[in-house]
Amino acid sequence: LAKTTQPISMDSYEGQEVNITCSHNNIATNDYITWYQQFPSQGPRFIIQGYKTKVTNEVASLFIPADRKSSTLSLPRVSLSDTAVYYCLVGDIGGATNKLIFGTGTLLAVQP
Amino acid sequence: GAGVSQSPRYKVTKRGQDVALRCDPISGHVSLYWYRQALGQGPEFLTYFNYEAQQDKSGLPNDRFSAERPEGSISTLTIQRTEQRDSAMYRCASSLSRDREQFFGPGTRLTVL
Repeated sequence: LAKTTQPISMDSYEGQEVNITCSHNNIATNDYITWYQQFPSQGPRFIIQGYKTKVTNEVASLFIPADRKSSTLSLPRVSLSDTAVYYCLVGDIGGATNKLIFGTGTLLAVQP
Repeated sequence: GAGVSQSPRYKVTKRGQDVALRCDPISGHVSLYWYRQALGQGPEFLTYFNYEAQQDKSGLPNDRFSAERPEGSISTLTIQRTEQRDSAMYRCASSLSRDREQFFGPGTRLTVL
């Protein structure tokens, strides 16, 4: 499974766009990139998943360059309630298990 | 309920006791996962069920840990002869199938004294 590297923490202010970049230099051909969000005292929650180029949903956008060695989660106009830990995961969703391998994530702190 | 539920939410036990943690997945979800999460860390995979079949138990730390899902729905994670190092948040997740997003439960906070 490809290892991911992401910043330990980030600070932002309400209303700003936040971009969290994740490096995954050893990503395999069959691997997808998935982001989860975790609030304190809650379980992780799926945000978005992609394979290449750009994916957008009602919550976020995911940008993946052609070489797929990194990805960027973009959160538009964050609010205080977006303060959470964001995990970048890489793995083969078509594999036998699809167990999620979490790192330590990025703690995003949104201030007023 | 609409989401994954786990019970108990908190469990305090003495070293050497056995504990059983329960997970009730979302109805119709075929895949069920158990994870363990230490403070400040991301969840760590323990085991995976496809229906009632335990297809991956590579993450179970040792033979004191076991899990079952006899009817393909509710699952139980059992820890025998608990040790202080077993203290953690134990999380269950389920998904429609293994290639779909996983929905996590609120977790069981286990404290071994």
